[in-house]
Amino acid sequence: DADVTQTPRNRITKTGKRIMLECSQTKGHDRMYWYRQDPGLGLRLIYYSFDVKDINKGEISDGYSVSRQAQAKFSLSLESAIPNQTALYFCASQGLATDTQYFGPGTRLTVL
Amino acid sequence: AQKVTQAQTEISVVEKEDVTLDCVYETRDTTYYLFWYKQPPSGELVFLIRRNSFDEQNEISGRYSWNFQKSTSSFNFTITASQVVDSAVYFCALRRTRGSTLGRLYFGRGTQLTVWP
Repeated sequence: DADVTQTPRNRITKTGKRIMLECSQTKGHDRMYWYRQDPGLGLRLIYYSFDVKDINKGEISDGYSVSRQAQAKFSLSLESAIPNQTALYFCASQGLATDTQYFGPGTRLTVL
Repeated sequence: AQKVTQAQTEISVVEKEDVTLDCVYETRDTTYYLFWYKQPPSGELVFLIRRNSFDEQNEISGRYSWNFQKSTSSFNFTITASQVVDSAVYFCALRRTRGSTLGRLYFGRGTQLTVWP
């Protein structure tokens, strides 16, 4: 079984709709991250959380919000989706004792 | 500020050729980590290697090898005797060990490697 899972894997929605992307990890990691990947731009950090009570903005947080419901769960919301939020979204987790982030399989989001 | 540059946007080689993917980074930190990730056509990100800035020894893992040179701020990745299955986008990344952005990965824009049969 995958250690970091993301749901849904693919989503097509319309402009103005509210969308939630979910991430769960079974590695017992404290730190979780949301990244966005656009062609030719690499991955950019949206939000990150070092524990349940700690949420931090990344470099491109505008238009997004997050919720850390539990140590294992970290959700990303688009309150009112717009077409330039069409991208591949990755969740990652990292433990305090490890220096490596492990990524989920990604969610491909299309906003029409 | 931290920055990772992968100047090669796309590389094409024929199977069995050796290929080197370049990565140059910028940081004022004295300690940091460097990473390589592979993104195959299926889209997931696969961790390949982590290197601590204190450790400049080159590393080899099968057909993969990494050359870390602090003097030139480079962390290059070589695939020997490339195979079609090596076709993917490869990302280099840097992580700080201190500061307000501790834990964040700074990614390069990636290099698309295509290996032709």
